[in-house]
Amino acid sequence: EVQLVESGGGLVQPGESLRLSCAASGFTFSKFWMTWARQAPGKGLEWVATIKEDGSEKYYMDSVEGRFTISRDNAKNSLYLQMNSLRVEDTAVYYCARQRTVDYWGQGILVTVSP
Amino acid sequence: DVVLTQSPLSLPVTLGQPASISCRSSQSLVHSDGNTYLNWFQQRPGQSPRRLFYKVSNRDSGVPDRFSGSGSGTDFTLKISRVEAEDVGVYYCMQGTHWPPVTFGGGTKVEIK
Repeated sequence: EVQLVESGGGLVQPGESLRLSCAASGFTFSKFWMTWARQAPGKGLEWVATIKEDGSEKYYMDSVEGRFTISRDNAKNSLYLQMNSLRVEDTAVYYCARQRTVDYWGQGILVTVSP
Repeated sequence: DVVLTQSPLSLPVTLGQPASISCRSSQSLVHSDGNTYLNWFQQRPGQSPRRLFYKVSNRDSGVPDRFSGSGSGTDFTLKISRVEAEDVGVYYCMQGTHWPPVTFGGGTKVEIK
């Protein structure tokens, strides 16, 4: 069974940093692209970033380019999202998801950016 | 970026009656490899999304056959033949043909009348 478990969320102030982690199990992690997506409170789904199987390619949505960094550790079956210079508008539930075209989602982790 | 427009925004349905959700794309979703990367997701209240269909009409494991996905080019439809109480939630279409970025429709909320 595919499982994706996010951790590392919380409440931070604007300008601060946070690192999200996603522990993957139930599939061969190193063979899949991985994605972070988010959902602001009461809003729809939004793609954030995607990373290739070996980490050699990374893609970001425009509003997080230069502030967020997606990475992975295939030896640890883990996906990460380093979020710097956080803004109030980054407040959302962040989901770890498998594949570029997204088949499985994690349960999500809340990130709140507030003064 | 590709814009996906879903309609209606809200869909009140009587139990046992059919429901239909439209997803229209700002450009054709046919990839150069011949595939159309259009997915449908269901998000029940308080839960994370669950994929229902990939590449327009391929049903994921465990998805009841009362759900169907269809369409081509720029117009796509998710249908529920007979709505059940467990179908309440928000439904999203998503395209992966022209990426980055992957884009989602705005969502359609299905509720019981």
